[in-house]
Amino acid sequence: DSGVTQTPKHLITATGQRVTLRCSPRSGDLSVYWYQQSLDQGLQFLIQYYNGEERAKGNILERFSAQQFPDLHSELNLSSLELGDSALYFCASSPGPSGELFFGEGSRLTVL
Amino acid sequence: AQKITQTQPGMFVQEKEAVTLDCTYDTSDQSYGLFWYKQPSSGEMIFLIYQGSYDEQNATEGRYSLNFQKARKSANLVISASQLGDSAMYFCAMRESRYNAGNMLTFGGGTRLMVKP
Repeated sequence: DSGVTQTPKHLITATGQRVTLRCSPRSGDLSVYWYQQSLDQGLQFLIQYYNGEERAKGNILERFSAQQFPDLHSELNLSSLELGDSALYFCASSPGPSGELFFGEGSRLTVL
Repeated sequence: AQKITQTQPGMFVQEKEAVTLDCTYDTSDQSYGLFWYKQPSSGEMIFLIYQGSYDEQNATEGRYSLNFQKARKSANLVISASQLGDSAMYFCAMRESRYNAGNMLTFGGGTRLMVKP
């Protein structure tokens, strides 16, 4: 158990819908990262937050947004969902802006 | 160009034997880090081992060791005495210092290791 908690573990929804994925980092970790793992794109970095502020941005679509709250948990919002958004979404955390990443178990999103 | 290349989509190894999973990387940074993660069928990503570009000795963690050849830009994972529980996807990843404002990792495509009893 990495100490990173993600909910929900599984989510099935329809195209055009909006979903929110939640992540609680390990106790004391200030950085949260979101990654997307799909069959065709592999593991891709989406975005990083450090202590509430956006730190780095990767291949995140404009339909996706994220935030980190004062209690350090983070949410990834996915809107206007398309079939291609079906993927495993990982949250990871680290104590500071750098260092080893600890991954959660992922949220598997299926868009029908 | 691929930053992280894992050329072995799938591999078999006999239980109790050693296996090497290949990883080559491409970066112009002098300071970078290389990681290996294991992803079993249950889906979670498990950190295995880390090697910094300035580390002079190869990293080791239990049965895992990283064969780091900087000039060749390779960071192969060696698993000794394979166990059935080692059957999983293995990902090589790199963190580059140019992204010092962040800590994002670039992942390779992965290698599926299957351990035969």
